[in-house]
Amino acid sequence: EAGVAQSPRYKIIEKRQSVAFWCNPISGHATLYWYQQILGQGPKLLIQFQNNGVVDDSQLPKDRFSAERLKGVDSTLKIQPAKLEDSAVYLCASRTTGGTDTQYFGPGTRLTVL
Amino acid sequence: AQTVTQSQPEMSVQEAETVTLSCTYDTSESDYYLFWYKQPPSRQMILVIRQEAYKQQNATENRFSVNFQKAAKSFSLKISDSQLGDAAMYFCALSGGYQKVTFGIGTKLQVIP
Repeated sequence: EAGVAQSPRYKIIEKRQSVAFWCNPISGHATLYWYQQILGQGPKLLIQFQNNGVVDDSQLPKDRFSAERLKGVDSTLKIQPAKLEDSAVYLCASRTTGGTDTQYFGPGTRLTVL
Repeated sequence: AQTVTQSQPEMSVQEAETVTLSCTYDTSESDYYLFWYKQPPSRQMILVIRQEAYKQQNATENRFSVNFQKAAKSFSLKISDSQLGDAAMYFCALSGGYQKVTFGIGTKLQVIP
């Protein structure tokens, strides 16, 4: 079974530029999460999708961050414009509906904003 | 709101010895899951062990076991016979209502040869 895929793995941009990250969850997993992990901290949930609907985006900075999961499968997370404090690893995770609540994580995208 | 607290920023253990990582949490949910995740320097987060709150029996996975104290809202991880490959960041996590997951800030475990 293929795991959660993310791309790119690394991205370096200058502040005020835009950037997009892509995530493809495990096949059949209805729930998809995007987390922001700043160095030395635990992952912070940005947004949670159930199929193509948003369950929780209370911690998403909506003035600059957006995310979509149009067909209920893969998802993109965009930052526009980026700030220095957005430098972090962006983790995508997925889980199946019901079952044991276990999330499976992708390798993450490390973003550096200069 | 649900919270997860890990009060040990760093821990070290001698190879082959046992170490316990601490975690406390707070939630108003009656049904929830608790997890320990491991994040090696490569940064891929992987599940170590999982505990359902309604189960009184502590979960075990080979060398990993938990001490789940529901009334005290405590969920510690014990690693027995520590190996060099156990060196990583360990995150305690809580999954409560609407499958919302909250992570602690992590404990960095160093294994000394």
